[in-house]
Amino acid sequence: DAGVIQSPRHEVTEMGQEVTLRCKPISGHDYLFWYRQTMMRGLELLIYFNNNVPIDDSGMPEDRFSAKMPNASFSTLKIQPSEPRDSAVYFCASSSGTETYEQYFGPGTRLTVT
Amino acid sequence: RKEVEQDPGPFNVPEGATVAFNCTYSNSASQSFFWYRQDCRKEPKLLMSVYSSGNEDGRFTAQLNRASQYISLLIRDSKLSDSATYLCVVNEGNTPLVFGKGTRLSVIA
Repeated sequence: DAGVIQSPRHEVTEMGQEVTLRCKPISGHDYLFWYRQTMMRGLELLIYFNNNVPIDDSGMPEDRFSAKMPNASFSTLKIQPSEPRDSAVYFCASSSGTETYEQYFGPGTRLTVT
Repeated sequence: RKEVEQDPGPFNVPEGATVAFNCTYSNSASQSFFWYRQDCRKEPKLLMSVYSSGNEDGRFTAQLNRASQYISLLIRDSKLSDSATYLCVVNEGNTPLVFGKGTRLSVIA
């Protein structure tokens, strides 16, 4: 079975540009999580969905960040406009409602904003 | 959000050594506990759950001390392939997991 799929794997963009990160969770998983990881702050939860509905977006840094999950097999995280401090690795993870402790992570998107 | 604290390391140990990591958590209502492993430039993956009675998986032993609110991971007979960052993770209930920043282990030949 395919794991969590993320694209792109690497993104380099200039400050002010819009960035869209994509995620396909594992089929049958009803929870989806977006994380950001940096050396300074570690792994931070940005937002999570249950059955495609956003449950908690309190980790989203500011209004420049938005996330959607239009269906059970696809989610996007958008940054508009991007800033250099957004540079990080962004992970998507999914889990089954009955075992939410085991989250399956995608390979991540390494974002560099210059 | 409550905190999960770990010594960032790095822990540099020779092959065959025994190494232990501790982690403390601040929310006394936390319900379940885990260790995840993250290899360099890779995603985190579940290593093992941590039970009150302690649990062992091969060379790895995890223990929980609820009274003192800390979790430990012991690795015996370290291998080069154990080199990674080990993330302490806490489930506070009907909320997502809370991840520590990780402890970096480097096993040296």
